[in-house]
Amino acid sequence: EAGVTQFPSHSVIEKGQTVTLRCDPISGHDNLYWYRRVMGKEIKFLLHFVKESKQDESGMPNNRFLAERTGGTYSTLKVQPAELEDSGVYFCASSRTGIDLGNTIYFGEGSWLTVV
Amino acid sequence: GNSVTQMEGPVTLSEEAFLTINCTYTATGYPSLFWYVQYPGEGLQLLLKATKADDKGSNKGFEATYRKETTSFHLEKGSVQVSDSAVYFCALTPAAGTYKYIFGTGTRLKVLA
Repeated sequence: EAGVTQFPSHSVIEKGQTVTLRCDPISGHDNLYWYRRVMGKEIKFLLHFVKESKQDESGMPNNRFLAERTGGTYSTLKVQPAELEDSGVYFCASSRTGIDLGNTIYFGEGSWLTVV
Repeated sequence: GNSVTQMEGPVTLSEEAFLTINCTYTATGYPSLFWYVQYPGEGLQLLLKATKADDKGSNKGFEATYRKETTSFHLEKGSVQVSDSAVYFCALTPAAGTYKYIFGTGTRLKVLA
């Protein structure tokens, strides 16, 4: 079974440009999550999809971030326009509906974003 | 609110040394506790978990015990290997059935041959 895959693995863009990160969850996982880790800090929750619906987007930092999950399969996270403080690692994760006790979710390798 | 505090890194050890990475938490209710590991060039992987007080999670020689009285979930390994070099993250979810992980800042471990 393929794991959570993310693309691109690394991206370097200039301040003011746009970047779109993509996440393909594990097949059959209705729940999809985005997290990010800015340099040296903790990993923070951004948002949660159940299928194509945003269940919780309380962690989205501001309106420069837009997440979509059309069709309830893969998801994209767009940053427009990017700022220097957006640099970090963006993790995607997925889980089945009806999370087992212990709330295990499966993370991807992360997309490393550097804004210069 | 809910939070996780883990020891600052980096931690540098010689092979076969004993490892402890401290993690304490603040949470209301009955959180589930986790240790995740990120090896170089790889994603976050679940290392072990515990869902209630006094539970011990274990995997790959690592152990952590859910201590409610001290609100701690310290990670230990009796004899580390070079291949254990990675970043370790302590995390919690506030209650069963929730998904919003609260992570610590991560502790980088470097094991020297």
